[in-house]
Amino acid sequence: EIVMTQSPATLSVSPGERATLSCRASQSVSSNLAWYQQKPGQAPRLLIYGASTRATGIPARFSGSGSGTEFTLTISSLQSEDFAVYYCQQYNNWFLTFGGGTKVEIK
Amino acid sequence: QITLKESGPTLVKPTQTLTLTCTFSGFSLSTSGVGVGWIRQPPGKALEWLALIYWNDDKRYSPSLKSRLTITKDTSKNQVVLTMTNMDPVDTATYYCAHRTVTTPAGYWGQGTLVTVSS
Repeated sequence: EIVMTQSPATLSVSPGERATLSCRASQSVSSNLAWYQQKPGQAPRLLIYGASTRATGIPARFSGSGSGTEFTLTISSLQSEDFAVYYCQQYNNWFLTFGGGTKVEIK
Repeated sequence: QITLKESGPTLVKPTQTLTLTCTFSGFSLSTSGVGVGWIRQPPGKALEWLALIYWNDDKRYSPSLKSRLTITKDTSKNQVVLTMTNMDPVDTATYYCAHRTVTTPAGYWGQGTLVTVSS
């Protein structure tokens, strides 16, 4: 099983600031890495796949980078609607595993 | 437009079998590369993949839950069914189904259904 570790667990950011979220895989997942956003009471929404490709309709302020075992999600200028929990997920093998999540909260 | 919706009981007793149905539209599970999966999320906790079924009837299960899970599809009804045996209170969670392709692991999700396991 590939273990995905996200850091930090909680990130306090002021609106308009940049947020940088990290995700580490216990072994290489190549670029088979996705990011999701989840708001309370809602299903997750796909933001990024292939480590850096934005899903349809995702604003350009969201960007993903990395390959192998180290990945980053950057939100360039946080908007009020971006405060949520973010999950990374590997899909390099069929057993798709998620990280534990990073909560982005208002500072 | 792709949509998915989960249905099933909201309350099950310990040791019972849970049966959930995912009814979808906007795609066909007979199209090459397409799959539907089940994911769950205990209250306040992270997401966990349970099972996947592909257009070619290839089925994959979480290793830790494999003995308790069965996933099937009915292409004519646009449905995927997940059964989980021997339910326990720790299985209390919101259960989601999601659409999978070769490039997108879970591009579309259902709204989720909360299942509580309690006597």
